[in-house]
Amino acid sequence: DTEVTQTPKHLVMGMTNKKSLKCEQHMGHRAMYWYKQKAKKPPELMFVYSYEKLSINESVPSRFSPECPNSSLLNLHLHALQPEDSALYLCASSQDLSGDGYTFGSGTRLTVV
Amino acid sequence: DQQVKQNSPSLSVQEGRISILNCDYTNSMFDYFLWYKKYPAEGPTFLISISSIKDKNEDGRFTVFLNKSAKHLSLHIVPSQPGDSAVYFCAASDRTSSGSARQLTFGSGTQLTVLP
Repeated sequence: DTEVTQTPKHLVMGMTNKKSLKCEQHMGHRAMYWYKQKAKKPPELMFVYSYEKLSINESVPSRFSPECPNSSLLNLHLHALQPEDSALYLCASSQDLSGDGYTFGSGTRLTVV
Repeated sequence: DQQVKQNSPSLSVQEGRISILNCDYTNSMFDYFLWYKKYPAEGPTFLISISSIKDKNEDGRFTVFLNKSAKHLSLHIVPSQPGDSAVYFCAASDRTSSGSARQLTFGSGTQLTVLP
């Protein structure tokens, strides 16, 4: 298995809703990431988990809450989002220190209404 | 301050000819560079990478060149095919502050259009 799987592929949520994005990999990668990509812009790093511990939080608002239940799973909990949070949310994983194997999922297209 | 720059937002090339996509970086801590291809509403697909200890890496029709002194890398696609039409992102990698993971910094992308 050489894939990063993200669910759901599309999500529409209201500003008062609570939802979660899920990401899964079975490549034995020990680092997992959340990126956010707006239209016609490059992906921007949000969070880094290394060995299931939060390593980096790029000043992301608290309405985004990451969780890493185990080495294969990464969640992003969403609460009280704003319309400007609408974007493609990408999960990635990598071997811990090697540059090899940095793999992205196909993303969750989030629309906040 | 953009640490990774792709100064050409778009490039059009005739089928069968060479496509050259360029990327410049400023952070000397970057030690690994990757090229990704991206279609709309999909995640980036890895194409090819190069470590800072090399100056060239080749994989089929794709070759990446790295000039460390100039902090410049380029992706060559030969021969170009219509199916290569997509947005190409250059990404540079360094270790996180904890040293236990790698983070990617992306350029703004170049839209490649290969004309039949």
